[in-house]
Amino acid sequence: KNEVEQSPQNLTAQEGEFITINCSYSVGISALHWLQQHPGGGIVSLFMLSSGKKKHGRLIATINIQEKHSSLHITASHPRDSAVYICAVRSGTGNQFYFGTGTSLTVIP
Amino acid sequence: ETGVTQTPRHLVMGMTNKKSLKCEQHLGHNAMYWYKQSAKKPLELMFVYNFKEQTENNSVPSRFSPECPNSSHLFLHLHTLQPEDSALYLCASSPQGTDYGYTFGSGTRLTVV
Repeated sequence: KNEVEQSPQNLTAQEGEFITINCSYSVGISALHWLQQHPGGGIVSLFMLSSGKKKHGRLIATINIQEKHSSLHITASHPRDSAVYICAVRSGTGNQFYFGTGTSLTVIP
Repeated sequence: ETGVTQTPRHLVMGMTNKKSLKCEQHLGHNAMYWYKQSAKKPLELMFVYNFKEQTENNSVPSRFSPECPNSSHLFLHLHTLQPEDSALYLCASSPQGTDYGYTFGSGTRLTVV
């Protein structure tokens, strides 16, 4: 079983819809990252969280440390949001990163 | 461009070849990382360098040999690879001791034939 589980694995949405991607983890962490990977491979770090909530444009990320759960929300989704979204956690004890397998999002015009 | 540049973007090599992947950053970061991303699998951390010193080697086979000549450059030397080593190899960097500013390169798509 992977230390980081994401759901759903695949998601198709109509343009304008509100999207939620979930991440659950089983290890103690010092930080959680949400990453965006576009076709072709390049990865962009969207958020780093250790508590609470962060917002950047149409993206919102939340984390509940007690429940070991994080969500990434996209408001007013757009076709350019189509990408794979990856949840990653840094263990509380060192340099070890654990990654989810990603959620593939397709936003249809 | 994210500030982390990887070359080449694509590489096809035979199992007896020797090749090298290059990663370069001028973000002033002191930590650099190699990751492997295989199809349908999570990213796997391979190597970590802090201030040019290797601080982590996640049980990576010796056919992968990293080199970090300075804080701005990181290489991954490849020799006698196997077809199952075909994957996307990603480089990342960060300021040492913090996750802020964690930056990935665009990756090298490696195919071993």
